[in-house]
Amino acid sequence: QVQLVQSGAEVKKPGASVKVSCKASGYTFTGYYMHWVRQAPGQGLEWMGWINPDSGDTNYAQKFQGWVIMTRDTSISTAYLALNRLRSDNTAVYYCARGLWGSNAFDIWGQGTMVTVSS
Amino acid sequence: DIVMTQSPDSLAVSLGERATINCKSSQSVLYSSNNKNYLAWYHQKPGQPPKLLIYWASTRASGVPDRFSGSGSGTDFTLTISSLQAEDVAVYYCQQYYSTPYTFGQGTKLEIK
Repeated sequence: QVQLVQSGAEVKKPGASVKVSCKASGYTFTGYYMHWVRQAPGQGLEWMGWINPDSGDTNYAQKFQGWVIMTRDTSISTAYLALNRLRSDNTAVYYCARGLWGSNAFDIWGQGTMVTVSS
Repeated sequence: DIVMTQSPDSLAVSLGERATINCKSSQSVLYSSNNKNYLAWYHQKPGQPPKLLIYWASTRASGVPDRFSGSGSGTDFTLTISSLQAEDVAVYYCQQYYSTPYTFGQGTKLEIK
């Protein structure tokens, strides 16, 4: 079935970097945009940006420009979210989510990856 | 950025009763060239990712029960659950995908009275 499976939880120190993966299955990976959404503990949802897996083009929310990088590897149907120069307030669950074809509502979500930043 | 504001912040409804959640956008999310509202609704249960319920403001996503319905246009939208079931307890979010950055409402916590 259609699903997105993300990599496991991470614990990092301030200033470190982390790379979260999102493996797609059950559909044509290059046919749908992939979005990343952040949720801090007990908080709401925050869109970070999208990547077009076909072209590699990206669109980042201004807030995240300069410290996140979205990439993909089409050979293994996997999208990646790299976070640099981590701070404690970056502690959150990071979700990948597929953009519904023809719109950018998010119809399939990964299970989420908890990234904890702590010294 | 388009600001999405939901009301109420929390809601308690008896089983079998109607639940209504409102969402207002700071600018219209109706795209005139195709007459579609770029508005979605999700719910999120504890420990789970969000689940898409409604897109294009009123189209139910695949597999979503017909007790869920969406309405509204322009800047004002409503999600209605016609007969609340125990499994509907969750936090509900609206989201605009009209323009980036795509933005969500702050969430409405729905509980059983």
